[in-house]
Amino acid sequence: AQSVSQHNHHVILSEAASLELGCNYSYGGTVNLFWYVQYPGQHLQLLLKYFSGDPLVKGIKGFEAEFIKSKFSFNLRKPSVQWSDTAEYFCALSGNRDDKIIFGKGTRLHILP
Amino acid sequence: DVKVTQSSRYLVKRTGEKVFLECVQDMDHENMFWYRQDPGLGLRLIYFSYDVKMKEKGDIPEGYSVSREKKERFSLILESASTNQTSMYLCASSLRDSNQPQHFGDGTRLSIL
Repeated sequence: AQSVSQHNHHVILSEAASLELGCNYSYGGTVNLFWYVQYPGQHLQLLLKYFSGDPLVKGIKGFEAEFIKSKFSFNLRKPSVQWSDTAEYFCALSGNRDDKIIFGKGTRLHILP
Repeated sequence: DVKVTQSSRYLVKRTGEKVFLECVQDMDHENMFWYRQDPGLGLRLIYFSYDVKMKEKGDIPEGYSVSREKKERFSLILESASTNQTSMYLCASSLRDSNQPQHFGDGTRLSIL
């Protein structure tokens, strides 16, 4: 079965701390992987995506993610978080068989100033 | 920049009413999607459409229907609203390709009394 699992539902960090949000997936084929972010009161927007090539993907606002095929993982990282990173983060995948995207349940990130 | 516009940010309806949620995109995208977003459950796909007059059921289609008479417009219909349909509804669109990200509207927060 196709699925996306995000390990942490709620993460609280202080400013300048390093961030890693876990994401594992289950899919029997080639995948495209995404991280979306939803800032308070705003629409979901794309942070970064991977579909081929370099497994280390850089996105907006200093975020990056690494696709590790052997671990079925696509963890999101940022070396030093800011208060403005407070948001909900969603990992997602699509397969090459159709254009649907499967979302994880999300991780609420709260940054303390 | 892609613009996905949902007709209402907030909507209050009564049990048993027929409810229409409208979504319009301005980038000539083939694909359009309706999700509901609930705390702790992430985004769940209700219906999607790959083309005009075409629709496919998502993961939770019960109690909903959709209409896509024009490429830019995708409507979600609650045939007889019930209190368990109180939720945030998100519309999205994308190009036809599984590695293309989805672009989201601001959402409609629907309350059924």
